[in-house]
Order: sequence, then C-alpha cells, then structure tokens
Amino acid sequence: QSALTQPASVSGSPGQSITISCAGTSSDIGNYNLVSWFQQHPGRAPKLIIYEFNKRPSGISDRFSASKSGNTASLTVSGLQAEDEADYYCCSYAGRSTRWVFGGGTKLTVL
Amino acid sequence: EVQLVESGGGLVQPGGSLRLSCVASGFTFSNYAMTWVRQAPGKGLEWLSTISGNAAGTYNADSVGGRFTISRDNFRNVLHLQMDRLRVDDTAVYYCAKESGTSIDYWGQGTPVTVSS
Repeated sequence: QSALTQPASVSGSPGQSITISCAGTSSDIGNYNLVSWFQQHPGRAPKLIIYEFNKRPSGISDRFSASKSGNTASLTVSGLQAEDEADYYCCSYAGRSTRWVFGGGTKLTVL
Repeated sequence: EVQLVESGGGLVQPGGSLRLSCVASGFTFSNYAMTWVRQAPGKGLEWLSTISGNAAGTYNADSVGGRFTISRDNFRNVLHLQMDRLRVDDTAVYYCAKESGTSIDYWGQGTPVTVSS
C-alpha cells in the first residue's frame, strides 16, 4: 500500500481538462512544499513534470499545473492531447529518514 | 545533458546478492544526493535508499534496511546499490535517480532484477 493515495485511473477527451488528486498526511504533503509529479509512459523511466508543488521544469508544457492544500496535492492537465496518456505519480518529501513517499499512480486515458 | 546509466541487474536466486551500478554524467556528481527507486511489475514507484553528495549520510526504506547498502564513488561518478538476501518480492526495475535538493529530477532508464528459483 502506497503512502500517498491517488485514484487508479482518470480519463478525458482531447481538449478537455482533468485533475488528479494525491492525498497524504501531516507528515508529508501537509508538512512540506516538496511535492513532485512524474509522468511515466509504458516501458519508460519517470519524467519530472512538477516540483516544489507547483513549479514546472524547463521544457514542460504549461498545460500541466499543480497545487496543494493541506494534506492534498493536485495535478491538472489542460487541453488534453493523445501524448498525455501515461501513468502519473505524486511524490512528497517525508523527512530526513523516510525521505520520499510516492502515490500508487494514476493511469490517464485520453479517450 | 544529465545521463544516468544503470547496470548490474539480472536473474538471481532467492537469498542471493546483486550489485547495481549507475554511471552519472552531465553534472557535478559530488554536489548532489543520489537515490535508488524501484518499480515492481505492474506496480508503483517505491523509494529505497538515498546517499548525500559527500556520502556522509545514507537513508534507507524500512523494507530494505539491513539488506541493501547504498554507496558512491565520487571520483568515478558511480552510484552503487549492494543487494543481499534477495527475496522474490524484490523483483522489480531498479532506477538510479539524481536529486536536485528539492525533488528527484532525473532518472536512469532502469535495470531489471528478477529473483526466482
């Protein structure tokens, strides 16, 4: 069982927006602004798309946005495109010894 | 360009050992903490172990503490994961990853480990 809770799947049509939630606790998401989101296509390594809960690395489309409130983080993908179909994982810093906790992943299907 | 290339995975019997390596390039290796993350077949990501840039600090997940040891060679820009007393449920793709200070920012392509008799 993963430390962070994500929905197993979400779907949307091209051009639409979807939001993926990531529920944690006061020991991780609620205590640090160090929430990241990763995109993983089948057979590929994860790719960082959001860091520090709402920042995008260079080269990541502004169709990806994120936020955090209390113990929950959210990732929004706007203007869905076929290439967005992938698994998405949230991740939070959880302290010096536990370090990083991940969500179980959400499969995004573009209909 | 940051590159992380893992090696050392393969098939091993339960109770056996493997040593994974990750060669890093494209950044000043000793300035950054490095991490191992694994992904069991069809499952999510699991943090395993992190080592600070100067190797003074190491941190391990409870699930592998005492069996897995992370180390690094800052002269050769190589990260290692020594895995002992392997179990069937250690079967996974093992990823080497670079930390930025506030997140994991780059991942290797992964090396598969299969523990089976």
